[in-house]
Amino acid sequence: NAGVTQTPKFQVLKTGQSMTLQCAQDMNHNSMYWYRQDPGMGLRLIYYSASEGTTDKGEVPNGYNVSRLNKREFSLRLESAAPSQTSVYFCASIITGTSGGYTFGSGTRLTVV
Amino acid sequence: QQQVKQSPQSLIVQKGGIPIINCAYENTAFDYFPWYQQFPGKGPALLIAIRPDVSEKKEGRFTISFNKSAKQFSLHIMDSQPGDSATYFCAATTSGTYKYIFGTGTRLKVLA
Repeated sequence: NAGVTQTPKFQVLKTGQSMTLQCAQDMNHNSMYWYRQDPGMGLRLIYYSASEGTTDKGEVPNGYNVSRLNKREFSLRLESAAPSQTSVYFCASIITGTSGGYTFGSGTRLTVV
Repeated sequence: QQQVKQSPQSLIVQKGGIPIINCAYENTAFDYFPWYQQFPGKGPALLIAIRPDVSEKKEGRFTISFNKSAKQFSLHIMDSQPGDSATYFCAATTSGTYKYIFGTGTRLKVLA
């Protein structure tokens, strides 16, 4: 069981470039989330998808878009990367209605120069 | 009101010591409080969680203490080991939303 898989693990972008971070889970979870982790700021929610076909903004959505492609996959897109988006990005998933908590992927370390 | 305040930012203890990490919240609608452990280069992993109907929960060497009236909860690590050196995050959420609000993290170092 792979759990939550994120690709790529590392990426360097130039300011203004675009890219898509991929996330897939094989646990039949219905809800998926994108967080960013910055030093001293903990994990902040960017976007989430409570179920297939729905997406909603989190705490820090500006500069990002998401797509819930199917039940397994939830992608995060940066249309025009900015240095302020340099961060570590984590995807997470959960079966809502259970007490098991989020399962996180191993993260994507993104640097925007 | 959505914040979860976590302290201390960093903590160093000797092997066998009992590090304590504290979190405080404002939103009384929160009803699930997990703790996550994160090793360098890895994603956070669920360690232990509590609901406000109990004041304490133990799993192995990890204990959560919960004070509903003070809106505070804390993680205690008994007989800490160098392998416990990691960053610990508290979080809170309201059932039905499953949007976790995380604390800012505590970097724990256990000296051998």
